Amino acid sequence: EAQVTQNPRYLITVTGKKLTVTCSQNMNHEYMSWYRQDPGLGLRQIYYSMNVEVTDKGDVPEGYKVSRKEKRNFPLILESPSPNQTSLYFCASSPLGSGERQETQYFGPGTRLLVL
Amino acid sequence: SQQGEEDPQALSIQEGENATMNCSYKTSINNLQWYRQNSGRGLVHLILIRSNEREKHSGRLRVTLDTSKKSSSLLITASRAADTASYFCATDSGGYQKVTFGTGTKLQVIP
Repeated sequence: EAQVTQNPRYLITVTGKKLTVTCSQNMNHEYMSWYRQDPGLGLRQIYYSMNVEVTDKGDVPEGYKVSRKEKRNFPLILESPSPNQTSLYFCASSPLGSGERQETQYFGPGTRLLVL
Repeated sequence: SQQGEEDPQALSIQEGENATMNCSYKTSINNLQWYRQNSGRGLVHLILIRSNEREKHSGRLRVTLDTSKKSSSLLITASRAADTASYFCATDSGGYQKVTFGTGTKLQVIP
């Protein structure tokens, strides 16, 4: 089954304790992206990746890191989490159309993060 | 900053009625997509419309795009209780690689 998986689905942590949220897709998509969703703000893009070893900042990259060592995986790293990073996080992937244009994104189920 | 803004923020209709929601954006785009999200779950793609298209249909969905007004509308005809969800528009910008979502319209369809 074609899907995007995220782990963990729920996470409670404390300020400053490094954490990683994993994202994996089995559709051989070039493009992967991380979003955070907060009430009243919709989804905001954190980082995206056009392909292996190619990543770039979205609208809210501060406090986050990503890596793309393999095509299928795109982990999100919070080196020193803070309470304002409490949010619902989504990973997504999509193929790239002609001219590297955006196509349909497939979303993971989400990760609820609470930073105390 | 948010590229897309949906209007209205919330909409409540009776089953069988049509639901229309609008999206406005600020910069030129390559395509615009509509997604649906059931409470707190992952987003599901509904329809994609490219900048050179004006209207697109998919089942009970009709999307229009007016690039001169930088706006799009999503029409759901003959709504069902199962259509209750939040609906988001998303545009690509910044070289077609960045994706910006609007704040969403929360639709409630009353049986």
